[in-house]
Amino acid sequence: QKEVEQDPGPLSVPEGAIVSLNCTYSNSAFQYFMWYRQYSRKGPELLMYTYSSGNKEDGRFTAQVDKSSKYISLFIRDSQPSDSATYLCAILAAGGTSYGKLTFGQGTILTVHP
Amino acid sequence: DVKVTQSSRYLVKRTGEKVFLECVQDMDHENMFWYRQDPGLGLRLIYFSYDVKMKEKGDIPEGYSVSREKKERFSLILESASTNQTSMYLCASRSGTGSQLVRYEQYFGPGTRLTVT
Repeated sequence: QKEVEQDPGPLSVPEGAIVSLNCTYSNSAFQYFMWYRQYSRKGPELLMYTYSSGNKEDGRFTAQVDKSSKYISLFIRDSQPSDSATYLCAILAAGGTSYGKLTFGQGTILTVHP
Repeated sequence: DVKVTQSSRYLVKRTGEKVFLECVQDMDHENMFWYRQDPGLGLRLIYFSYDVKMKEKGDIPEGYSVSREKKERFSLILESASTNQTSMYLCASRSGTGSQLVRYEQYFGPGTRLTVT
C-alpha cells in the first residue's frame, strides 16, 4: 500500500463548478500537508500548506485536513479554465526515520472547460 | 525570487549511454532533491543531499548516482541509461536544517523530459 493515495482522476468540470480533490495517508508521522499545482511542461508549485486539522482558506482554495481519518482535501470554488493543471498532494514527515521527507500522491489532472 | 534551473528541458539518449542531468539553485538552500515523475505514479524520490558532498538514497536509487560538489549544484547521473529510465526528472531545493527542515517550502525546477531509445 502506498503511503499517500490520491484519487487519480482525471477530472473534467465546467467553469464555475466546485472541485474536490482528495488524498489519504497511512503514516502517523505525517504532520505537514501541502497541495502543489503543476501546469503542463512546468515544475510543481506550492499552492497550500497546513499543519493542523481543520480548514485553511486562500481565495477560492480551501485545504481541509482530518488527522483522525488521515484524509486531506483541496476544494476549488468557482473553478476557472486557468485552474486546469495537475494537482499533487504532498505530506511531510515530522518524525521517525523519514523526518523531513516529502511524500507525494499520484496527482490528479483537472480540466476546467469554458 | 527562488530559482531552480535544470540544464535541459528535453533530452534523447541511447541505451547504454552515460547521462548527466544538472540542477542549479540560486537561494543558498542546504537541501537538494532529484525526483522522477511518471503517469499514475506521481513523484518518486531518487536521491537527496542535505549538504555539500553529502547524499542519501531516496525510494528508487537503483541505476542512478548523484554528485554535489558545490552547494548550488546537484547532478543526477545515469551510469548506463536504459529504456525504463525514460521519464520526467524534477530537481528541487529547500532551506532548513535539523528541526527547521519541516518549515520551509520546497521549490522545483521546470523538469527534464528524458527519452532513452
